[in-house]
Amino acid sequence: AQSVTQPDIHITVSEGASLELRCNYSYGATPYLFWYVQSPGQGLQLLLKYFSGDTLVQGIKGFEAEFKRSQSSFNLRKPSVHWSDAAEYFCAVGQSNFGNEKLTFGTGTRLTIIP
Amino acid sequence: DAGVIQSPRHEVTEMGQEVTLRCKPISGHDYLFWYRQTMMRGLELLIYFNNNVPIDDSGMPEDRFSAKMPNASFSTLKIQPSEPRDSAVYFCASTRGTGDHEQYFGPGTRLTVT
Repeated sequence: AQSVTQPDIHITVSEGASLELRCNYSYGATPYLFWYVQSPGQGLQLLLKYFSGDTLVQGIKGFEAEFKRSQSSFNLRKPSVHWSDAAEYFCAVGQSNFGNEKLTFGTGTRLTIIP
Repeated sequence: DAGVIQSPRHEVTEMGQEVTLRCKPISGHDYLFWYRQTMMRGLELLIYFNNNVPIDDSGMPEDRFSAKMPNASFSTLKIQPSEPRDSAVYFCASTRGTGDHEQYFGPGTRLTVT
């Protein structure tokens, strides 16, 4: 069974600083990997996803993530954060076999932005 | 497209009452998921459907919880009787089922059981 670990429960960064949120997964085959963002009082919104090919994927709102098979990681990055990026971020993994659309989510990382 | 629609957005009820949460998935999506989110347990998958058929209900916490999907455009999650520990935000999500796994989430229903 697959699993996801987000080791950082809460991260605080200054506006304009760079950001990296960590995600480690466990899955036997090539995983499908996702990052979702949840603003307060909202549902989850997809930021980006990785299926295959280029290991550096670009998403919405200026986010990117890099798949590193050797480290079983899929860390999320942004070169310069904005106050509106304050939210909860979830990493998720899915199985690559067709017909199994289930995702396993990490526990989330709460991002606080300070002026 | 209007996205995934959930109702009500907020529900406050007393312990022992029946609660019904509703979800309308995105048209054309074949999979529907029900999640529960709490501070203590995070985001938990309760049950999911494929073409209106329940595929995996192993996350349903107790027999007090039941879910149905009578047609492709409607699903309910019922709790009977409700208990204070059921207080949480319940999300519905749907996906096309073409193998891309991209789930679209509704805004959630915040349930408070007093």
